[in-house]
Amino acid sequence: SAVISQKPSRDICQRGTSLTIQCQVDSQVTMMFWYRQQPGQSLTLIATANQGSEATYESGFVIDKFPISRPNLTFSTLTVSNMSPEDSSIYLCSVGGELTDTQYFGPGTRLTVL
Amino acid sequence: QKEVEQNSGPLSVPEGAIASLNCTYSDRGSQSFFWYRQYSGKSPELIMSIYSNGDKEDGRFTAQLNKASQYVSLLIRDSQPSDSATYLCAVNPASGGSYIPTFGRGTSLIVHP
Repeated sequence: SAVISQKPSRDICQRGTSLTIQCQVDSQVTMMFWYRQQPGQSLTLIATANQGSEATYESGFVIDKFPISRPNLTFSTLTVSNMSPEDSSIYLCSVGGELTDTQYFGPGTRLTVL
Repeated sequence: QKEVEQNSGPLSVPEGAIASLNCTYSDRGSQSFFWYRQYSGKSPELIMSIYSNGDKEDGRFTAQLNKASQYVSLLIRDSQPSDSATYLCAVNPASGGSYIPTFGRGTSLIVHP
């Protein structure tokens, strides 16, 4: 299994600002994933981040709102742009989906937008 | 639209009882099935995976799969208060070689002393 860290673990932000979340993995992986988990809801995939190519976004999520970087095989960032209270959620990065069909999750970033 | 359905609960059982968690899925060709446990304020962690029809046991946990009925369940024997958590069912799609699962909304389990 992979060891994944995320920063920050939580933040409280003002409406209209942006927050960048970092995800670090202890081994090289091709595919990294960003999920959102709103209160009482399941995990919703935002995008798949592959090193060396543009991120692939799921329906309902766009690059302007959630730009993603993937500069190398162990690191990725997700930015939540121009935030509104509806963006209050837990954001999780995960790895998996290559040699294994198991997903391993980071500890998550709890975001509150006022 | 691939869907994974779970009763949100909460499911409340007494300590020592068997907790039964259920999940149905819409994609008939799905090949792999998972149960994740998520404690409040924590991220999901894998506890069981199952790929073939029938039962798979791991300690106090048993996963059951019935592909004909598109149904997967998780039994927790001798439930403990420490088992209180949300249990997420996840199903991997059948096509494209993708291992990106679809998650259910989760069932909240409460084990009371």
